[in-house]
Amino acid sequence: LAKTTQPISMDSYEGQEVNITCSHNNIATNDYITWYQQFPSQGPRFIIQGYKTKVTNEVASLFIPADRKSSTLSLPRVSLSDTAVYYCLVGDFYNFNKFYFGSGTKLNVKP
Amino acid sequence: EPEVTQTPSHQVTQMGQEVILRCVPISNHLYFYWYRQILGQKVEFLVSFYNNEISEKSEIFDDQFSVERPDGSNFTLKIRSTKLEDSAMYFCASISTNSYNEQFFGPGTRLTVL
Repeated sequence: LAKTTQPISMDSYEGQEVNITCSHNNIATNDYITWYQQFPSQGPRFIIQGYKTKVTNEVASLFIPADRKSSTLSLPRVSLSDTAVYYCLVGDFYNFNKFYFGSGTKLNVKP
Repeated sequence: EPEVTQTPSHQVTQMGQEVILRCVPISNHLYFYWYRQILGQKVEFLVSFYNNEISEKSEIFDDQFSVERPDGSNFTLKIRSTKLEDSAMYFCASISTNSYNEQFFGPGTRLTVL
């Protein structure tokens, strides 16, 4: 499993766009990138997943450069309720046996 | 929307006692997982389960731990003789092969070992 590195914490203000970058230098050909959000005392919740280029859904965008050694989760116009820990996971598309959660990024959105 | 459920939400036990944590994964899911999260720390993989057997387990998942899917709906984690350091949130998760790697997590069981 490719190891991931994320900033430990980030601060933002309501209404701003937030970009959280994850480094995964040892990503393998079959690996895809998934981001989860976790609120205190709750289980992680899937946000977005991608393999390359850009993926967008109703809550976020995921940018993956051509070398795939990093990825950036973009949250548009954050609100106080987006305060949470965000985890980047890298895993084999065909292997569901194990998933590694890194330390995550604690996003603190201020009013 | 279907969801993963876990019971109990909070379990308090004495050191050395056995505990069983219960999970009901989403009905058409095929892969099941247990994770733990010690307060303030990251989510740690414990074990994965597919086709009625363990697929992979971490070094945390020692002989004190076991998993079972006794009746086709429940998925349980047993800790035979709890230690103080087993105090944590335990999350169950499941995956459908129709949504690759989108794990659906339950709300967790907070285990407190005294």
